[in-house]
Amino acid sequence: EAQVTQNPRYLITVTGKKLTVTCSQNMNHEYMSWYRQDPGLGLRQIYYSMNVEVTDKGDVPEGYKVSRKEKRNFPLILESPSPNQTSLYFCASSLGGGAGTDTQYFGPGTRLTVL
Amino acid sequence: QKEVEQDPGPLSVPEGAIVSLNCTYSNSAFQYFMWYRQYSRKGPELLMYTYSSGNKEDGRFTAQVDKSSKYISLFIRDSQPSDSATYLCAMKGTGRRALTFGSGTRLQVQP
Repeated sequence: EAQVTQNPRYLITVTGKKLTVTCSQNMNHEYMSWYRQDPGLGLRQIYYSMNVEVTDKGDVPEGYKVSRKEKRNFPLILESPSPNQTSLYFCASSLGGGAGTDTQYFGPGTRLTVL
Repeated sequence: QKEVEQDPGPLSVPEGAIVSLNCTYSNSAFQYFMWYRQYSRKGPELLMYTYSSGNKEDGRFTAQVDKSSKYISLFIRDSQPSDSATYLCAMKGTGRRALTFGSGTRLQVQP
C-alpha cells in the first residue's frame, strides 16, 4: 500500500529538549516536504526536498532542521523546541511539487505539544 | 493580507443540499488550483485539481476557477454525511515549488 508514515503521532515535550519526527514514504517519490497546520493559518510549508541531499526552506523554517540522506526518509528536527512550535505537523511526498496530476500524499500527522 | 483567503466556517447543511466552498487569492501567477479534503485526525487528501481557468466535474464534485476574479469554487451536489470534513484549497504557480494553502472550511452535513 502506497503511504507516508510519521512517528510519533503524538508527542508532549518540554522547552529546549531536542526531538526528531520521522517521515518515510514507500512510493519512490523525489519530492518531500514538511508542513505545520495551525488554526486559522492553514498548512504552511516548513522545509522541502527535491531529492537526496537537496533541501530548501519553505515559508516558516525558523527553529527547524531537516535532512535527506535517503530517498524514502525525511526527518524533521527541532533542536530546541519552544511553545510556539506547538502544532500539528504533516509530512508529504510527491513525484514533483504536487500540482495538478502530481498528487501530493500526506502522512497522518504528528501532534506536538511543547510545554 | 494572506495570499489565499478561505472562510473557516463551520458550514452546516442538511443531507442532500448543494454545497458551495470558495477561495479568493491575490497572486496572479497561480496556475494550478487544487482542493483537498481532510477528515478529522487525518492528513489532507487530494480531491480535485484544475489547471488555469474553467470547470472540472468528477461525480458529485465540480471545481470552478475564475482567474479574472481570482476566485475558485468547489460545489458538492447531493451532499452526504460522509462529506463532513475540512476542505482546503491549494494553489501553485509554474515557477514556485511550494503549494499555498487556504486555511480550510469545515463542512458538516447533517443526516
